[in-house]
Amino acid sequence: GQQLNQSPQSMFIQEGEDVSMNCTSSSIFNTWLWYKQDPGEGPVLLIALYKAGELTSNGRLTAQFGITRKDSFLNISASIPSDVGIYFCAGQPRSNNRKLIWGLGTSLAVNP
Amino acid sequence: DSGVTQTPKHLITATGQRVTLRCSPRSGDLSVYWYQQSLDQGLQFLIQYYNGEERAKGNILERFSAQQFPDLHSELNLSSLELGDSALYFCASSLGPGDEQFFGPGTRLTVL
Repeated sequence: GQQLNQSPQSMFIQEGEDVSMNCTSSSIFNTWLWYKQDPGEGPVLLIALYKAGELTSNGRLTAQFGITRKDSFLNISASIPSDVGIYFCAGQPRSNNRKLIWGLGTSLAVNP
Repeated sequence: DSGVTQTPKHLITATGQRVTLRCSPRSGDLSVYWYQQSLDQGLQFLIQYYNGEERAKGNILERFSAQQFPDLHSELNLSSLELGDSALYFCASSLGPGDEQFFGPGTRLTVL
């Protein structure tokens, strides 16, 4: 079945550093979503992307819908301790817009 | 607060037992999804319902079953529980299949 490759699997950074993570697929997607899961909580939607090339920001977070429609990127600038958590990408494939495919997550740890 | 509610928040039971987890979707959402998340694991999609009917199945064991009722709330039944079933179980809802999903706070199941 369709899969999303999310990388890196985990990151350990210093407070204040910028963070980048990405999601790639072998097929075209119509929608890309980025979620964050705080420890012990359910995932929360951070950013939703609907058009190729779209660049959207939410505070220190910026996400982009890749031009090829097969990838998406999430950047976090000037990380702070509360950025700790698991970040998931999810996408709606063009071949089946009734489905949401999930990446396996990027676990982020921030050292104060 | 996502608007999705799950009960109970915590559940401790013994091997071989049967439990029922309950989810109420956001007002207006017709789709309900169930996910399992084991320690340090990504989200494993179990099953999806749309307006009372099963829409998609993921890695759901035969010992597990679910249903969505006419009032759109959903229940996940886990039977013949094993130690390995200990996990966080999340419910999510969306307006329709493939739309942005909103997650509940989860039920933490511990099987002793």
